Amino acid sequence: GAVVSQHPSWVICKSGTSVKIECRSLDFQATTMFWYRQFPKQSLMLMATSNEGSKATYEQGVEKDKFLINHASLTLSTLTVTSAHPEDSSFYICSARMGLAGTQETQYFGPGTRLLVL
Amino acid sequence: GENVEQHPSTLSVQEGDSAVIKCTYSDSASNYFPWYKQELGKRPQLIIDIRSNVGEKKDQRIAVTLNKTAKHFSLHITETQPEDSAVYFCAAKALHSGGYNKLIFGAGTRLAVHP
Repeated sequence: GAVVSQHPSWVICKSGTSVKIECRSLDFQATTMFWYRQFPKQSLMLMATSNEGSKATYEQGVEKDKFLINHASLTLSTLTVTSAHPEDSSFYICSARMGLAGTQETQYFGPGTRLLVL
Repeated sequence: GENVEQHPSTLSVQEGDSAVIKCTYSDSASNYFPWYKQELGKRPQLIIDIRSNVGEKKDQRIAVTLNKTAKHFSLHITETQPEDSAVYFCAAKALHSGGYNKLIFGAGTRLAVHP
């Protein structure tokens, strides 16, 4: 149980285009989903926290107009990188959790999406 | 806000030896500390976690210890095997603005187990 999927697994796009990444919890309802960015050989940097039905909370330094997050249902959150540029190239990983306490606060990660902007 | 430091950044051991990874955190209110293992090109997988109401937790060859007073926690892997080779991340729970909590991750430890 507790499986999280991401689509697409990798994407190559031209500079200036927008890219949408989907994160789905397949066998549980996720009250909260998180979006991380990971550079090669580096740690997981939280970009934003997404709660179903409400606006995402962005970390300091993350442009909310650049990285649009939508959490329309308890099983789906999307991250849209708008007007992508080469510096946006990275590995984007989502995670999902069921609740706020006990075993429900475990975060389960998706497989990640590798974005390359040319 | 919460800050998590992790050491060492790389660790090389011989198969069968033990490996220890240490983390410190800054927010005394943190009460949940998970450890994740990430193999190359794959997603982070939870391997063990501990809450602040216990000092130690063990699961087969993996154990985690927590010292709340000193604000540090450690991962111990005994009888290491080549398949333990991966990057290990510690994390601490921090309160997010708006009352929601989030995880702050350490920088990671690249563990290599040599046959």
